[in-house]
This record gives sequence, C-alpha cells and structure tokens, in this order.
Amino acid sequence: NAGVTQTPKFQVLKTGQSMTLQCAQDMNHNSMYWYRQDPGMGLRLIYYSASEGTTDKGEVPNGYNVSRLNKREFSLRLESAAPSQTSVYFCASIGTGYNEQFFGPGTRLTVL
Amino acid sequence: ELKVEQNPLFLSMQEGKNYTIYCNYSTTSDRLYWYRQDPGKSLESLFVLLSNGAVKQEGRLMASLDTKARLSTLHITAAVHDLSATYFCAVVMYSGGGADGLTFGKGTHLIIQP
Repeated sequence: NAGVTQTPKFQVLKTGQSMTLQCAQDMNHNSMYWYRQDPGMGLRLIYYSASEGTTDKGEVPNGYNVSRLNKREFSLRLESAAPSQTSVYFCASIGTGYNEQFFGPGTRLTVL
Repeated sequence: ELKVEQNPLFLSMQEGKNYTIYCNYSTTSDRLYWYRQDPGKSLESLFVLLSNGAVKQEGRLMASLDTKARLSTLHITAAVHDLSATYFCAVVMYSGGGADGLTFGKGTHLIIQP
C-alpha cells in the first residue's frame, strides 16, 4: 500500500514550456486534490475531483488544467509555465467520511 | 469565502516549556485538521477534530475544537527539540458534490531550543 504517489519529485522548466504532474492513490478514495505551497502562504487548492469524471476549480486554478483519468489517477498540467508557478505541488486524496486527507510527497517545480 | 488564521506564525521556545497555537476560521465547518511539516517534507496528519468540544492527545500534543467560537488550539506540553516543525491547521468545506478541499492557515513555524 503506497498511499499517494507523485512524479516527478523535482522539475526545472523554462518559461513557456509545458508539463504534466502525475498523481496516483491506491486507497480507493473518491476525492483527489492538487495544492500548491509557497513560502509563507500555507497550501492553496488548485483543483479538485470529488469523484471519477468530475473536476472543479479551487482557489488558484489559473494557468492549470487537470484530468481525472480514473479513480486512481489525477494529473495536473501546466500548458505554458510561468515563473509565478514556481512552487511545491502536493496531491492529496480523502476517503468517504472525510476523516483524514493523505498527502503525496510533493513535486518541487522551478520555472526559469 | 472561508478564511483560516493561525497565530503565532513564528514561535521560538525553550525545551520544557508549554505553549499554545491558535487557529481561527471564518465560517461553519465540522472538521478541523492539524498537520505537521518538516523542512522539505510532505504533510503528516496529526489530528482530525470532528465535533464541538473534541479533544485529542498524542504524546506532548493536544488539540481541541470549539465550533461555536470557530477556534481550535494545539497545545504543546513540556516541549522537546523533536517537535520543531511547521504546524498547519486546515478546515474543510462541503458542497453538494462532496468535500471542496481544505483551506489552510499560513502555518506556525516552531523552533524549540535546548
């Protein structure tokens, strides 16, 4: 049982490049989330998926797209990366009852 | 809009002392979470508080929830160096389709000195 996994762990992009951050969970959770963490800001919700086939915007969705590929996988795409998207990205999932949200190890992204 | 405020944001304390971190939130919610984060690491779940008056304890940490006051506290008893970390509180919002995700406070950076 790996919990929530993310790839890659680190990434450096140039402005304008695109990339997809991958996330998978093996806990059979319905709800999955993408957050970004910036110094002094806590974590902010980018997008979430309450169930397979549905996605919704969070607090800071601009510049991102998401895909809930199946119940296990939830990807985050940057179509044209900007320096303002330099951050640490965390994927998370939560089971029914919403008693505990599990976080992945994070992806550290730098956009030059 | 749900807002979550923690204070203090930075705390330096000595081993053996007691202290409390406060978490206020702006709208009704029935779940409050406390997380710990070590530098360069992910978030580790500490407590999930589900109802008014809930109190949970784990080692030197104790968390409580007052939903009427929209206030949670994280109390540290006889602090030890290993508790140095950043602590976050977070509150969940619900829509008709399910949980909308967590809204986090900015975190309390705790340093415990020998």
